Amino acid sequence: KAGVTQTPRYLIKTRGQQVTLSCSPISGHRSVSWYQQTPGQGLQFLFEYFSETQRNKGNFPGRFSGRQFSNSRSEMNVSTLELGDSALYLCASRFTSGGPNNEQFFGPGTRLTVL
Amino acid sequence: AQKVTQAQTEISVVEKEDVTLDCVYETRDTTYYLFWYKQPPSGELVFLIRRNSFDEQNEISGRYSWNFQKSTSSFNFTITASQVVDSAVYFCALSEETSGSRLTFGEGTQLTVNP
Repeated sequence: KAGVTQTPRYLIKTRGQQVTLSCSPISGHRSVSWYQQTPGQGLQFLFEYFSETQRNKGNFPGRFSGRQFSNSRSEMNVSTLELGDSALYLCASRFTSGGPNNEQFFGPGTRLTVL
Repeated sequence: AQKVTQAQTEISVVEKEDVTLDCVYETRDTTYYLFWYKQPPSGELVFLIRRNSFDEQNEISGRYSWNFQKSTSSFNFTITASQVVDSAVYFCALSEETSGSRLTFGEGTQLTVNP
């Protein structure tokens, strides 16, 4: 079974631009979560989508948004990029949202650099 | 609010030594899940184990073992006879029943195993 895939793997943008990152979950998984990892703040939850609906949202400004398609693939968008948005963005997929009997698997991440 | 603390920022050992990574958590939920993930230099988070709050049995899997103690809110991870390939950042994480797939991560512990 193929794992979680994320595209692109590396991205360089300049301040003020916007960016869209993509995540394809493991086949059959319907929950997709996004995390931001920075040296200063560590791993922080951005949001979770389940069956095309945002189920949960972390404490990030409105510049960060996401969506999920009917095939469970998810995209996250960051508008008006700031230097502090430079981070590793990780996507995780899971069969369902919550509950004890299914694990969350992570993709390799997208390394975003904002200049 | 939930919180995970990994007090050890960095640990360095010599191959074949045993090493324990500490994790302390805070939550008000009575049903929650605890995880350990490994992050090698490639960046992908690799799932190691999940423990449910209602199951305090310790677990051993090969060279890995976990000690879950609700009385002290701790979920420690021990690697026996460490190997160079164990070098990575290890994260402890918490998920609450009411939070869907949202994971709250600790700061991570950088483990370096020297030959």
